Amino acid sequence: DAGITQSPRHKVTETGTPVTLRCHQTENHRYMYWYRQDPGHGLRLIHYSYGVKDTDKGEVSDGYSVSRSKTEDFLLTLESATSSQTSVYFCAISETGLRDGTEAFFGQGTRLTVV
Amino acid sequence: GDSVTQMEGPVTLSEEAFLTINCTYTATGYPSLFWYVQYPGEGLQLLLKATKADDKGSNKGFEATYRKETTSFHLEKGSVQVSDSAVYFCALSKPGNGGYNKLIFGAGTRLAVHP
Repeated sequence: DAGITQSPRHKVTETGTPVTLRCHQTENHRYMYWYRQDPGHGLRLIHYSYGVKDTDKGEVSDGYSVSRSKTEDFLLTLESATSSQTSVYFCAISETGLRDGTEAFFGQGTRLTVV
Repeated sequence: GDSVTQMEGPVTLSEEAFLTINCTYTATGYPSLFWYVQYPGEGLQLLLKATKADDKGSNKGFEATYRKETTSFHLEKGSVQVSDSAVYFCALSKPGNGGYNKLIFGAGTRLAVHP
């Protein structure tokens, strides 16, 4: 199994509070991704990183920011959590940036509830 | 834009039944196609993939053939087991803006297999 650890695994937070989710990898893969999973939508890309300090937005990036100061860590921050951000968040990594049919490896997910 | 459509679930089958989960895609160019599986409480893991037209991906008794003429990648298994109960995601990968590939997922299909 790819060495991907997400923390925390579960979190309940109040509306308006900041929240940071962490993804840590031991595979030394260059590319890292944050997805959210919601019923009826599958997984949607929030942000991704193609190297240290290099990040870009995905399709549902509003209300989220990311940082990558080290190869192994990719942080997702909800600046001011809203109920619409209640979801399961998955981190994924790729060695090649998904080129040439290569796969992404996923963490176990973080279930976030905003009350 | 690019998208993946898969049949809605849940799909409920008896053990040893034949399984088909339909998946069609819309994309320009030549995407790679994937089936990912998510077992309860876990992250996604690659089940099988195909990178060009007429390729057949197979794993653990599951098969899917990349049909460019019908833009489809249907998942099949001849005899399902209780342990196959999971959520199955069809996905495509192709270059996005900036030259980096991205995964685009379908909504997922939940499969429940009963003894």
